[in-house]
Amino acid sequence: KAGVTQTPRYLIKTRGQQVTLSCSPISGHRSVSWYQQTPGQGLQFLFEYFSETQRNKGNFPGRFSGRQFSNSRSEMNVSTLELGDSALYLCASSLGQPSSGGYTFGSGTRLTVV
Amino acid sequence: TQLLEQSPQFLSIQEGENLTVYCNSSSVFSSLQWYRQEPGEGPVLLVTVVTGGEVKKLKRLTFQFGDARKDSSLHITAAQPGDTGLYLCAGGGSNYKLTFGKGTLLTVNP
Repeated sequence: KAGVTQTPRYLIKTRGQQVTLSCSPISGHRSVSWYQQTPGQGLQFLFEYFSETQRNKGNFPGRFSGRQFSNSRSEMNVSTLELGDSALYLCASSLGQPSSGGYTFGSGTRLTVV
Repeated sequence: TQLLEQSPQFLSIQEGENLTVYCNSSSVFSSLQWYRQEPGEGPVLLVTVVTGGEVKKLKRLTFQFGDARKDSSLHITAAQPGDTGLYLCAGGGSNYKLTFGKGTLLTVNP
């Protein structure tokens, strides 16, 4: 079965711009989570969606937002980009049961803000 | 705030050696997951442990979840160059998120 697909793989943006990243989960998975990975902070949780509802949100400013569509595909948006937003953005899909469910990650979108 | 601390941060060993990576927290987690990540790719799930004291073996990898469900270890026997990568532990709970450690970067030299 197809894995988690993230697009685009690489992105270069200028400070102040906004960006939208896309994630298509594994077929049948209704939960999509987003994480930011940087060398200094590691993987940090952004938000999780299940059946178009945000169930949890990490400690990130309001410039970071997301949504999930009825087909479980998800997008995240970052507005007014800052240099510190440069990171690998990872999306993970799962069946949605908390705690014991394994997560399948996509290959990520490498965002560089200049 | 739940935190997971991994040690060591870096590990460079020769092919055939054994190694152990540790993951510790002051918080209790419902589950503990281990992932391996290669450069430019997303993490790949290796194992999920959910019961305190649980031990799981996958070929040369042995995973253990502490009795109090606050810590875990990953032991690799007879490491091979293909084991090279970033090993991440992640704690799961009922809040639909994973809390990750910062990882152990393992290099196995031929």
